[in-house]
Amino acid sequence: DVLMTQTPVSLPVSLGGQVSISCRSSQSLVHSDGNTYLHWYLQKPGQSPQLLIYRVSNRFSGVPDRFSGSGSGTDFTLKISRVEPEDLGVYYCLQSTHFPNTFGAGTKLELK
Amino acid sequence: EVQLVETGGGLVQPGRSLKLSCVASGFTFSSYWMYWIRQAPGKGLEWVSSINTDGGSTYYPDSVKGRFTISRDNAENTVYLQMNSLRSEDTATYYCGVQLSYWGQGVMVTVSS
Repeated sequence: DVLMTQTPVSLPVSLGGQVSISCRSSQSLVHSDGNTYLHWYLQKPGQSPQLLIYRVSNRFSGVPDRFSGSGSGTDFTLKISRVEPEDLGVYYCLQSTHFPNTFGAGTKLELK
Repeated sequence: EVQLVETGGGLVQPGRSLKLSCVASGFTFSSYWMYWIRQAPGKGLEWVSSINTDGGSTYYPDSVKGRFTISRDNAENTVYLQMNSLRSEDTATYYCGVQLSYWGQGVMVTVSS
């Protein structure tokens, strides 16, 4: 199985600040079709996950441009600039290149 | 607007069965893969199952393979998760999703004697 190592576990932030979350996979996430199926989600307290970024760097519908994704192969990053209160929660990466699909363990974004 | 409504959760004894349903609306159901993921209390997310558009291909992690079965009824816009031989470690909130993009509000399954 592909192991997704997400860091940090906890990320204190000040409103208006910028943060980065890392997600590293134990093997390449480049699919045989040439795409890289690495996605980012935010789960706010008491809610279901919401898709932020799909296939490394594509913002999902309605996601503000404060969120950006980058990376390739086995190393991926989610950046959030100008953090707002509604950005707080747990962020997860997910790889769907390989079966079984696997999530990172999550990064909790919280106020300093 | 995409809507996914899961039902069928509840309290069940170890070794028993439960069937979850997820009714979808707001998109062309038959054109998209469907998914189930779960989240144990206070824990992270775990992928549980995927099914392709016509139901001909299904996928599971080893943790549920042979016990859980995903299926779909494209005429009824519904995806199912049949869960057999349930264990305490299957206790979780189960979410159905479309194309890994939208997720329902979730349904709780508790396996306990």
